[in-house]
Amino acid sequence: QVQIQQWGAGLLKPSETLSLTCGVSGGSFTNYYWTWIRQSPEKGLEWIGEIDQSGSTNYNSSLKSRVTISIDPSKNQFSLRLSSVTAADTAIYYCATRVVGDYGFDYWGRGTLVTVSS
Amino acid sequence: QSVLTQPPSASGTPGQRVTISCSGSSSNVGTNYVYWYQQLPGTAPKLFIFSNNRRPSGVPDRFSGSKSGTSASLAISGLRSEDEADYHCAAWDDSLSGWVFGGGTKLTVL
Repeated sequence: QVQIQQWGAGLLKPSETLSLTCGVSGGSFTNYYWTWIRQSPEKGLEWIGEIDQSGSTNYNSSLKSRVTISIDPSKNQFSLRLSSVTAADTAIYYCATRVVGDYGFDYWGRGTLVTVSS
Repeated sequence: QSVLTQPPSASGTPGQRVTISCSGSSSNVGTNYVYWYQQLPGTAPKLFIFSNNRRPSGVPDRFSGSKSGTSASLAISGLRSEDEADYHCAAWDDSLSGWVFGGGTKLTVL
């Protein structure tokens, strides 16, 4: 059974950098995309970006200048960094995986509430 | 403002059939597969429909998806109290080169 754990700081000040990590266990992880999605009352679900096993990334164009997603295949972990955060970045951040192909986001982390406040 | 448009709410009584719509454009729903996620309060979304109309293992066959042109629908037959949740549609958008979501529909079982 695939399990995803996520961790990282939940309270940030404006201009700081958000940093979250997800660890995945219990499955074969070839041919997966490793994804970050956030959810806020204002915007609903918002795709942030994703990375594949080779390290190739694809980012939401609206966040691209501030986002970095990285992967450590040896640890089955992938990470999100979002720089220069503002109150508008306050949201629940989820990591998720999807198999290459048309199968959707099949495994999700439990989510991390990140609050940006001075 | 979400790229895909869903009604904010829907409701039905136990046993009824309800449908939730998801409207997009030629660059997303009109061209690519639609996915539906169920989100229970305080939990992460869960994949319920993929590739327009396919159900992952464990999803009841009371749930079905369909697509026509730039619109898609999620139908729930034999409504049950445990179906009360938020439902989100999603699709890949070729113009944005990214995944887009609807704003979510809160389903209430009366």
